[in-house]
Amino acid sequence: DQQVKQNSPSLSVQEGRISILNCDYTNSMFDYFLWYKKYPAEGPTFLISISSIKDKNEDGRFTVFLNKSAKHLSLHIVPSQPGDSAVYFCAANRRRGTDKLIFGTGTRLQVFP
Amino acid sequence: DAGVIQSPRHEVTEMGQEVTLRCKPISGHNSLFWYRQTMMRGLELLIYFNNNVPIDDSGMPEDRFSAKMPNASFSTLKIQPSEPRDSAVYFCASSIGTSGRAYEQYFGPGTRLTVT
Repeated sequence: DQQVKQNSPSLSVQEGRISILNCDYTNSMFDYFLWYKKYPAEGPTFLISISSIKDKNEDGRFTVFLNKSAKHLSLHIVPSQPGDSAVYFCAANRRRGTDKLIFGTGTRLQVFP
Repeated sequence: DAGVIQSPRHEVTEMGQEVTLRCKPISGHNSLFWYRQTMMRGLELLIYFNNNVPIDDSGMPEDRFSAKMPNASFSTLKIQPSEPRDSAVYFCASSIGTSGRAYEQYFGPGTRLTVT
């Protein structure tokens, strides 16, 4: 049973526009969320995170929004650049008692010129 | 720092053979994680260690899979006997997290395993 779901396997966006990647979760015990980016033949790298006490966290071109009532988070990339083309994974954690991250299946983002 | 080191990067083996994947975590990190990536299930946690002790192995698919961490700088994931459905990319990650707190995990480049 997938506790973290990324329902869009792929997304294609024009350079300069906004990319919005979505993630849904089912476990209400999750209270810390992360986004990772993965290029081919490399391991995932940490991008941005958000605690459940916040509804927004921003880092440069990247912003993560959390809607706890909907159990939904999204990653916004503005403006999108060709170098952002990668697979993006969202992950969730229950901070108390475990280091375990539950990952989604990933969304492949392609930014074209 | 060299980051998380995994070997081999690619492994091709025949069904029934034993496969051993190796990982060297980042120095100073005390949590180590083994993941498997497949198209269908994304990144699945197989097992994780904290201070060399296995904490959660609920993701290990079968008795054919075993993992060890004999010291803070080395871990192995073994599959014996291997089967074609084990074909996947296996990642090792480490973090400075202590039990009860999740920290950013740093991933190695992965080992692509193909079992024919």
